Amino acid sequence: EVQLVESGGGLVQPGGSLRLSCAASGFTAGSYWMSWVRQAPGKGLEWVANIKQDGSEKNYVDSMKGRFTISRDNAKNSLHLQMNSLRLDDTAVYYCVRDYGGYWGQGTLVTVSS
Amino acid sequence: QAVVTQEPSLTVSPGGTVTLTCGSSTGAVTSVHYPYWFQQKPGQVPRTLIYDTSNKHSWTPARFSASLLGGKAALTLSGAQPEDEAEYYCLLTYSGARVFGGGTKLTVL
Repeated sequence: EVQLVESGGGLVQPGGSLRLSCAASGFTAGSYWMSWVRQAPGKGLEWVANIKQDGSEKNYVDSMKGRFTISRDNAKNSLHLQMNSLRLDDTAVYYCVRDYGGYWGQGTLVTVSS
Repeated sequence: QAVVTQEPSLTVSPGGTVTLTCGSSTGAVTSVHYPYWFQQKPGQVPRTLIYDTSNKHSWTPARFSASLLGGKAALTLSGAQPEDEAEYYCLLTYSGARVFGGGTKLTVL
């Protein structure tokens, strides 16, 4: 069974940093593109970034380029999102998603507040 | 980046049929956009109904189907049930990067 478990969310001040992680099981994460998707409270889904199987290609939504960095560790079947210079409007639930087939984790809440 | 458009809201009668669409600001939606459709109910994680235009998961009710129609991706619900009331999102791929539509709030009434 495909499972994705996010961690690393929490409360952070504006301008701060946070690193999200996603542990994959039930499949070989290194065989798939993987994405981060977020959803602000009461808002729609927003695709954040994705990364190719071997990490050689990464794509980002324009508004997060330069602030967010996606990475992966295939040996540990894991995905990460380094978020820097966090802003109030980055407050959201962040989901880890396997691109092919669209398998979702339960999400981790990031709250940016002073 | 591209803008993906969906109907903000639609209403369907129980047992009725409704089609949700997903358009692209760059032109016609084709199979190379690998359209996905997701269902999300309040307080729940989104659930993937359709991937790569028309492929269903084992959990996708048979009353849902998807295709390309008139230059858009389309999700058709035939025989709507009260439990189908939800927000529906489409997702398109543009050379690796992905963009969600704004979502369609489907009411079964």
